[in-house]
Amino acid sequence: DIQMTQSPSSLSASVGDRVTITCRASQGISNYLAWYQQKPGKVPKLLIYAASTLQSGVPSRFSGSGSGTDFTLTISSLQPEDVATYYCQKYNSAPFTFGPGTKVDIK
Amino acid sequence: QVQLVQSGAEVKKPGASVKVSCKASGYTFTSYGISWVRQAPGQGLEWMGWISAYNGNTNYAQKLQGRVTMTTDTSTSTAYMELRSLRSDDTAVYYCARSYGAPDYWGQGTLVTVSS
Repeated sequence: DIQMTQSPSSLSASVGDRVTITCRASQGISNYLAWYQQKPGKVPKLLIYAASTLQSGVPSRFSGSGSGTDFTLTISSLQPEDVATYYCQKYNSAPFTFGPGTKVDIK
Repeated sequence: QVQLVQSGAEVKKPGASVKVSCKASGYTFTSYGISWVRQAPGQGLEWMGWISAYNGNTNYAQKLQGRVTMTTDTSTSTAYMELRSLRSDDTAVYYCARSYGAPDYWGQGTLVTVSS
């Protein structure tokens, strides 16, 4: 099975900072990669699918890039409401494995 | 609007079974699949499996093979996930999510507690 890794596992940044999270697949998955945001005690929310397509209603400060094995999620200007754990997920073929998550908070 | 409404919290003893329901509305049920994802306390998201609401085809996580069954009832637009031989490490919040590719709409979650 393809393994998904994320880095860093956690980060702390200031409001307004540019934040980048990396997701890596152990084998190529084309662009079948999604990013989710999960706030404490809440349901996961789809942010980006197909590696770089913003889900409707998601603020434009979120963006995604990558293809094959290496992907990034970027928050261009971190806001207090972005405090959450972010997960990537592959969905090219089963199993649709999630990454271990990256916890983002405010410095 | 798309909604997935799950059944309520459950407390089960080790060795028992649990069946969680997920009632969909606001879209054509048979045009999508349903993914099931669980999250143990303080842990990350774990993909459990997927079922096509169109033809009932399933894919299960290998670690749950033989213990999990996912089904759908197209007459009521409801998906079900049954997990058998429960263990303490099955304690988690269980989510259903509409899936055509990446899961987009999620249910509110169902807490399943396994405790003697």
